[in-house]
Amino acid sequence: GAVVSQHPSRVICKSGTSVKIECRSLDFQATTMFWYRQFPKQSLMLMATSNEGSKATYEQGVEKDKFLINHASLTLSTLTVTSAHPEDSSFYICSASRTVSYEQYFGPGTRLTVT
Amino acid sequence: DQQVKQNSPSLSVQEGRISILNCDYTNSMFDYFLWYKKYPAEGPTFLISISSIKDKNEDGRFTVFLNKSAKHLSLHIVPSQPGDSAVYFCAAGYNTDKLIFGTGTRLQVFP
Repeated sequence: GAVVSQHPSRVICKSGTSVKIECRSLDFQATTMFWYRQFPKQSLMLMATSNEGSKATYEQGVEKDKFLINHASLTLSTLTVTSAHPEDSSFYICSASRTVSYEQYFGPGTRLTVT
Repeated sequence: DQQVKQNSPSLSVQEGRISILNCDYTNSMFDYFLWYKKYPAEGPTFLISISSIKDKNEDGRFTVFLNKSAKHLSLHIVPSQPGDSAVYFCAAGYNTDKLIFGTGTRLQVFP
């Protein structure tokens, strides 16, 4: 159990367009979902935390109008990168918590390339 | 301010021997620690965790040690296997809030 999927796994888009990434908990209901970003050879940087039905909590330095997060249900969260720029190119990973706990289950990640 | 640090970016170990991965933290409020394993282009997978009220937790070949006074934890893998080759991240959290991840250590286990 505790499987998290992400779609798409890879996406290439042009500068100025928007891209939506989906994160789904397949076999459990996630009370909380997290979105991370990882630059090459660096740590996972938490971007935002979202709970179903409420607004996401963004980390300092993350533009909430640029990275739109919607947590529509207990099994689905989406991250939309709006007006993408080449510097938004990165590996985006979501995770989900089953209960109020530390244990997070990660999705396989999405490689975004903005040309 | 890097609250969780993994000072060794890489580690190379012979198959069958022990791998020791280290992690240091600065925030004394952390009350839970986890280790994750990550392959390239994949999400991290949970390995083992430890609460701050313990100093050791063991699961098969994996053992995590916590030294609160030194604000240090380590992951021991014994015996190491080639399939253990991956990047290992330690993470810390408090108040069941978000996790803070270290920068990772790339482990290579060679035959």
